[in-house]
This record gives sequence, structure tokens and C-alpha cells, in this order.
Amino acid sequence: GAGVSQTPSNKVTEKGKYVELRCDPISGHTALYWYRQSLGQGPEFLIYFQGTGAADDSGLPNDRFFAVRPEGSVSTLKIQRTERGDSAVYLCASSALAGEYNEQFFGPGTRLTVL
Amino acid sequence: SQQGEEDPQALSIQEGENATMNCSYKTSINNLQWYRQNSGRGLVHLILIRSNEREKHSGRLRVTLDTSKKSSSLLITASRAADTASYFCATAASYYGNNRLAFGKGNQVVVIP
Repeated sequence: GAGVSQTPSNKVTEKGKYVELRCDPISGHTALYWYRQSLGQGPEFLIYFQGTGAADDSGLPNDRFFAVRPEGSVSTLKIQRTERGDSAVYLCASSALAGEYNEQFFGPGTRLTVL
Repeated sequence: SQQGEEDPQALSIQEGENATMNCSYKTSINNLQWYRQNSGRGLVHLILIRSNEREKHSGRLRVTLDTSKKSSSLLITASRAADTASYFCATAASYYGNNRLAFGKGNQVVVIP
């Protein structure tokens, strides 16, 4: 079956612009996660959705970052007034269940470059 | 803050040899997971070990967990060129509701054919 998909695969933008990154989770997965991975580092948690609601958004670095999942499936990560420090690979993951022992399935990521 | 912290090593081994990498963490966990990331590809889940387990096997992979030392090891036996990748450990903890994974920085493994 289809895995987690993310679009675009690459996004180049200028400092100060607004960007949207999309994630299509595995069909039927209720939990969805966003992570950010900088070069040479492991992924860093941003936000977790259970269904339509953001159950934990404590990893978002500041109020320029926002994510939605209006119908409990596709999610969009939105970054306003982008800064060069936002450049990273943004990873989305989904899991069938939340909580203990949940295996998270990751998408290929969106590489964001802010010039 | 990051939980998992792998030994900061890059391994370069010959095909057929075993590769071992370690991970340490700081707080109590519910489970520890190992992921592989190939160049240009997403993270692939390898194995999950629960906090009440000490050892787990999956194919050529062997994972150990020592909760008293807050450490884990991943052993890949009879390595293949296709095992060349970065390997990350990640922990899930009740403190964070078990829903977020805290990743280490990763170990780069190169298997020479």
C-alpha cells in the first residue's frame, strides 16, 4: 500500500516568504507527526495530531510555525516570514495508534531552503 | 531536548563484518526504537524494544537495552553494502505522552563491498 507522501519534495524560497508543506499520511492512520531535521542531526519533534486536533504542539519553535489537519487526514505545516534558520528537511510521520509502542512511518520529507 | 544520543562515530566496515553502534539516553523511557536513513530517503523503522525487554532480534539485527545504564546497542550481523546508511535511535517516554520520539544525532555506517 501507499506510504506517507509529502509535497513538495524540495522548496526554495526567499527570506520573509510564506510556505506550506503538505503531508498525506497512510490511509486510516489517526496519529500524525511533524519533525524537522537539520543537516547532521537527528529529527526534532514539532507537533503531533490525534485526529483533527493538535494534541501536542510544544515542539513548534515559535509562532511563525503553524500546522492544521482539518479532516483528520492530510496535514499542512505552514511557516510565515521564513528565516534562513528554517532551512531543514521537514519530515512527516503517521501511526495507526498513538501512545505506547506506536511505530511511526515516515515520509521522504520536504527539503526547505530559505535564501 | 534530545533523548537518544548515539556514540558519535562513523563506522566503515567490510561487507560480511558485524557493525555495532550504541545509544544512551537521559530519562526514563517506555520504549526505544532504531531507524535507518539512506541518503535521500526517509526514515525506515527497524526495531522497537520495550523498557521491560532486554534483547530483541529481527533478521540480522540484534538490539539490547540496559535501562540501568540508560543505553542500547544495535548490532547488524553479516553486513551488506545495502546496509550503508545513517542509523538513529529514538526514545518514547511517558513524560512526553509516549507520542513524540526523541532522536539522537545518528551513526553513519559505510559497508565496503
